[in-house]
Amino acid sequence: EVELVESGGGLVQPGGSLRLSCVASGFTFSSYWMSWVRQVPGKGLEWVASSEQDSAQYYVDSVKGRFTIFRDSAKNSLYLQMNSLRAEDTAVYYCARSELGAFNYWGQGTLVTVSS
Amino acid sequence: DIVMTQTPLSSPVTLGQPASISCRSSQSLVHSDGNTYLSWLQQRPGQPPRLLIYKISNRFSGVPDRFGGSGAGTDFTLRISRVEPEDVGVYYCMQATQFPLSFGGGTKVEIK
Repeated sequence: EVELVESGGGLVQPGGSLRLSCVASGFTFSSYWMSWVRQVPGKGLEWVASSEQDSAQYYVDSVKGRFTIFRDSAKNSLYLQMNSLRAEDTAVYYCARSELGAFNYWGQGTLVTVSS
Repeated sequence: DIVMTQTPLSSPVTLGQPASISCRSSQSLVHSDGNTYLSWLQQRPGQPPRLLIYKISNRFSGVPDRFGGSGAGTDFTLRISRVEPEDVGVYYCMQATQFPLSFGGGTKVEIK
């Protein structure tokens, strides 16, 4: 059974940093694109970043230069390093597996709150 | 960037009756590989999103056959043939043809 479990969210001050983690199980992690999607509570979904299998990374413009997506296949883990955080980065962050051009499995999400 | 526009914003439906959601993209979603990467997701209250349909009309594993997708190019539709109580939630279309990936604004399905 595919499972994605995020962690690392919390309260951080503007300008601060946070690293999110997503531990994957039930599939061969290194074979799949993995992504982060965020959602401001009560609002819609926004794609944040994607990682091709151990190669290219892609980002939404609003996080380029501040966020880094990376993975550790030995630990079956996906990460999102978030620096220079802003109030508008406040959201629930979901880890998702990509296949056939869709996000077919999602974690439960981890809440990031950027506030002083 | 591709903008995804969903209508309606809200869809009050009677149990057992059909529902339909439209999604329009600002440019064609046909990828250079010939596929159209348009998917539909459901988000029940308090839950993460769940994939229903991928590549326009393919139901994901475990999705009931009352859910169906259609369309081509820039115009797509999700249909629920007979709405059940567990179908209440917000539905999103998403394109993965081109970066940045993008979602529609969501359509709330509620029971009348």
